[in-house]
Amino acid sequence: TQLLEQSPQFLSIQEGENLTVYCNSSSVFSSLQWYRQEPGEGPVLLVTVVTGGEVKKLKRLTFQFGDARKDSSLHITAAQPGDTGLYLCAGVTLGGSQGNLIFGKGTKLSVKP
Amino acid sequence: KAGVTQTPRYLIKTRGQQVTLSCSPISGHRSVSWYQQTPGQGLQFLFEYFSETQRNKGNFPGRFSGRQFSNSRSEMNVSTLELGDSALYLCASSLVLDTEAFFGQGTRLTVV
Repeated sequence: TQLLEQSPQFLSIQEGENLTVYCNSSSVFSSLQWYRQEPGEGPVLLVTVVTGGEVKKLKRLTFQFGDARKDSSLHITAAQPGDTGLYLCAGVTLGGSQGNLIFGKGTKLSVKP
Repeated sequence: KAGVTQTPRYLIKTRGQQVTLSCSPISGHRSVSWYQQTPGQGLQFLFEYFSETQRNKGNFPGRFSGRQFSNSRSEMNVSTLELGDSALYLCASSLVLDTEAFFGQGTRLTVV
């Protein structure tokens, strides 16, 4: 069974702090997705990383895919209250459909003003 | 452009009853997937439909079923509800079978 472990499970920080969230697996994925889910809403896709070692930036968010395509990290610089939410990673196994996604349980981030 | 619409948003049912949830995908999207989200298990894949055919199915009991109509709208049904079925049920749509999809706001089901 393929598993994606996310850490930490919960994170509470002050506005302006930096943070890193991790997504780890013993399995190799063809790509990896990161989502943010706000309370009362569905997840929203932030980014997909495809190549081992790839780094993508989305404003203050930096996503990295591990060289071996088994792990990924999300770094947020100068966090803001608007960054509050549940961050989910999803590994894509071979194949091109939703049935090939493995989701982690998420990191719940709270950014206090 | 309207997003994925799920109805109802909230539902309270009694153990043993059955329930039907509805999902209208983004206009033009032909693939619809369903997920169950709970604090303990996270987001778990239920099934995926494309062109009215179930293409993939997750590891859930037969009490969970679904269908897709010719206009791509989808419904999922849960029979003989159990307390453990209390969850947020999410629907996601994509143009075709794809790993990238757009999620709806979900239906919060509470079984008492």
